Amino acid sequence: ETGVTQTPRHLVMGMTNKKSLKCEQHLGHNAMYWYKQSAKKPLELMFVYSLEERVENNSVPSRFSPECPNSSHLFLHLHTLQPEDSALYLCASSRETGVYEQYFGPGTRLTVT
Amino acid sequence: RKEVEQDPGPFNVPEGATVAFNCTYSNSASQSFFWYRQDCRKEPKLLMSVYSSGNEDGRFTAQLNRASQYISLLIRDSKLSDSATYLCVVNFRDSSYKLIFGSGTRLLVRP
Repeated sequence: ETGVTQTPRHLVMGMTNKKSLKCEQHLGHNAMYWYKQSAKKPLELMFVYSLEERVENNSVPSRFSPECPNSSHLFLHLHTLQPEDSALYLCASSRETGVYEQYFGPGTRLTVT
Repeated sequence: RKEVEQDPGPFNVPEGATVAFNCTYSNSASQSFFWYRQDCRKEPKLLMSVYSSGNEDGRFTAQLNRASQYISLLIRDSKLSDSATYLCVVNFRDSSYKLIFGSGTRLLVRP
């Protein structure tokens, strides 16, 4: 399945590094999302974009910076992360925000050392 | 009260068994309901949408009870491959941009 792709699949970074996660959707959707899933915890919504405009920022620390250059691409820029930021970062897309089902990418497993 | 509440399980059942999960939600104005499946260390995948009249997809049946604000998932003739975490997902009209994901119910199907 290649509807939503994410790169890299695995990332190890130090607390002083800067890295970016990339998400691309091939479904013609207008909404894209970033979620965080820590071990044995539920999904936490981080950011929501609708037609490249950020419509929700769920009290996420500023060390996470999203970017949506167009409706098919979504980035999450990371800098000065903490070890507790280690988690699975999932990108999703949907036709529009709100009532429609979301389709997820395979995720980036991030480890902060 | 949690917005979407599920029994975490695990439900441990033998192959061939029938198992049912319930999920309750707090917002009576919710419009969309889904069940997702998540395998260990993988992304959630849409299993089925839940319609007011109830719907069936092979061995899986989903029901919606708006009066009591719960949805259910019934799995008949369980297979080993059904072992996963099942996530209940609801949209809230006053949180118009997002779906609310439950914490999930873990199912283990044993030989």
